[in-house]
Amino acid sequence: IAGITQAPTSQILAAGRRMTLRCTQDMRHNAMYWYRQDLGLGLRLIHYSNTAGTTGKGEVPDGYSVSRANTDDFPLTLASAVPSQTSVYFCASSRTPSSPGELFFGEGSRLTVL
Amino acid sequence: GQNIDQPTEMTATEGAIVQINCTYQTSGFNGLFWYQQHAGEAPTFLSYNVLDGLEEKGRFSSFLSRSKGYSYLLLKELQMKDSASYLCAVLDSNYQLIWGAGTKLIIKP
Repeated sequence: IAGITQAPTSQILAAGRRMTLRCTQDMRHNAMYWYRQDLGLGLRLIHYSNTAGTTGKGEVPDGYSVSRANTDDFPLTLASAVPSQTSVYFCASSRTPSSPGELFFGEGSRLTVL
Repeated sequence: GQNIDQPTEMTATEGAIVQINCTYQTSGFNGLFWYQQHAGEAPTFLSYNVLDGLEEKGRFSSFLSRSKGYSYLLLKELQMKDSASYLCAVLDSNYQLIWGAGTKLIIKP
């Protein structure tokens, strides 16, 4: 593993189903983030974690939950998927929450909810 | 509210120079970032500005004017591989990144 790994890369899901997007990093970064990217819109922050054991809500948290049991893993769960959650989801990390260093992104998970 | 504005799409010729502008209105300012995103791929970091002025990094330069809420990304000696979307993002007073919708740059031979 080098950097951030997301799984699955692509998924088609029926509305109402539960789905977990996985994210693992091997850079020992403290901060991790989940974004969604939709056509014509900027990246929007769903949830974040400044350090293991803590999480926070971003700009669009409704319908999503996260956990940060350890430094490396930051899964995103859709409890009951709806079509408006069709999007490309990016997991990202940074060395510290407030560092001006760059964000490192995973390759994205393309989710389609029917 | 917080807002980042950048052109939706730009077209330029291989070998030429292009300037992509970004204006912002945010709650506080702790730096401005430019990212490059090729179609179907993840964004990758290009540059960071926190003080006024020009930061040069090879063929790419980024400029910031905090008093005007304005930045630009300058790409020189354009190559076909520079065809991508360029995302402007501002770190606000809460250290949250606010993202623009991105500028799709099309390079023609």
